[in-house]
Amino acid sequence: AQTVTQSQPEMSVQEAETVTLSCTYDTSESDYYLFWYKQPPSRQMILVIRQEAYKQQNATENRFSVNFQKAAKSFSLKISDSQLGDAAMYFCAYRGEETSGSRLTFGEGTQLTVNP
Amino acid sequence: KAGVTQTPRYLIKTRGQQVTLSCSPISGHRSVSWYQQTPGQGLQFLFEYFSETQRNKGNFPGRFSGRQFSNSRSEMNVSTLELGDSALYLCASSLRGQPNTGELFFGEGSRLTVL
Repeated sequence: AQTVTQSQPEMSVQEAETVTLSCTYDTSESDYYLFWYKQPPSRQMILVIRQEAYKQQNATENRFSVNFQKAAKSFSLKISDSQLGDAAMYFCAYRGEETSGSRLTFGEGTQLTVNP
Repeated sequence: KAGVTQTPRYLIKTRGQQVTLSCSPISGHRSVSWYQQTPGQGLQFLFEYFSETQRNKGNFPGRFSGRQFSNSRSEMNVSTLELGDSALYLCASSLRGQPNTGELFFGEGSRLTVL
């Protein structure tokens, strides 16, 4: 079974600074997707960034980028120029290509605080 | 384009009762999946429906069930409620069998409290 681990329950960052959230996963599949989702107090999960395992290039979305290390099964999220609106719970998630459908396996989450 | 809509947003039930939660996916999305979120267990997959058929099921007891209608709207039902069923229930919709980005779009959830 696939597992996703986020070892940092809480992180904090100063506004405008950079922070990195860690995620490791375990799988025997060769094709899969990895995601970072953000859940603000409003509760709605919002996709931040996705990475296809077959792509060697790290995904980037504006101030958000990932460091995807397939051999190490590591998928960290870097937030640059942190903003107050980035404060939220961040979840790393895995979806196997071979496992059918839309089943995501989530990590435990990292609560990010942004200090003004 | 309207997002994923879940109703009701909040509800309170007592032990032994049953509850039905509803989810309307994004127009054109035929896959609907359900997740339970609790402080202790985190986010756990309940089940997925596609074209009115359950395609995938998580490790939950038979008290948890669901269905999907021909318009892709989905409902989940929990019977004989227990205190531990108190949770945020999230619904997500996605395109399936497409050039698949794998992305799920989530609703705001239904907060169930069992007393």
